[in-house]
Amino acid sequence: EVQLVESGEGLVQPGSSMKLSCVASGFTFSNYGMNWIRQAPKKGLEWIALIYYDSSSKYYADSVKGRFTISRDNSKNTLYLEMNSLRSEDTAMYYCAKGNGSYVDYFDYWGQGVMVTVSS
Amino acid sequence: DIQMTQSPASLSASLGETVTIECRASEDIYSNLAWYQQKPGNSPQLLIYDANSLADGVPSRFSGSGSGTQYSLKINSLQSEDVASYFCQQYNNYLTFGSGTKLEIK
Repeated sequence: EVQLVESGEGLVQPGSSMKLSCVASGFTFSNYGMNWIRQAPKKGLEWIALIYYDSSSKYYADSVKGRFTISRDNSKNTLYLEMNSLRSEDTAMYYCAKGNGSYVDYFDYWGQGVMVTVSS
Repeated sequence: DIQMTQSPASLSASLGETVTIECRASEDIYSNLAWYQQKPGNSPQLLIYDANSLADGVPSRFSGSGSGTQYSLKINSLQSEDVASYFCQQYNNYLTFGSGTKLEIK
C-alpha cells in the first residue's frame, strides 16, 4: 500500500524558515517524480514544486521560486521542502504527491497534508 | 503558462441526476488531463487520468472525455458520497490546476 506521510507542521512568523518532510512507503521511491502542492484555507489547489526521480531537475511555481527548495533523499525514501522568507500568503495545507512517472505527470497518490501557518 | 478555466464554480444536483463539469485549457494539452475528487476534510484523490482513463477503484459512474482544449467530467446517477470538490489538472506543460467545482446535493 502506497503511503505518504508529511511532517513539519507549525506556526511561524513572517520572514522565517521552515522545513517539511514526506516519508514514502509502498513503492520504489527512487523511480518516481515527487511534488509539493498546497491549498490555502477554503481555496483551490496550487502545484508549487516538482523534483525528478533522480533529482536531475527541479521546477517551481513562480509564487515560490527563489524562496522554496525541493529535495529528496532516495536512500531514506524522503521528500523535503525547505521554505524561506515565509509570507502570510504561504499559509496553507501542504501536500506531498507522487507522480505517476519519473518526470512531469499527474498525481496518483497524496499524503494527508500538513498545515503551515505564517502569522505574527 | 497554461491556464485552466473550470466551470461551474459550484453545482447543486439531486440524487440520481447526471452532472457535468467542464475544463478549458488556454492551449492544446493533448489529453494530458486529470480529474481529482476532494471530500471535505480529506486530501484529493485521483479520479481520471489521460482525459478518459478511470483510476483504480473509482466507480464507473465517473467518466472523462474531451480533447484539444476542452474537457469534461461526468458523474452519472449522483450519490450522496459524491459530495466533494472536483479539480482538473493539466500535465502537458508543467502542472496547473483548475479553480475547482464544489458539488452539493439538492
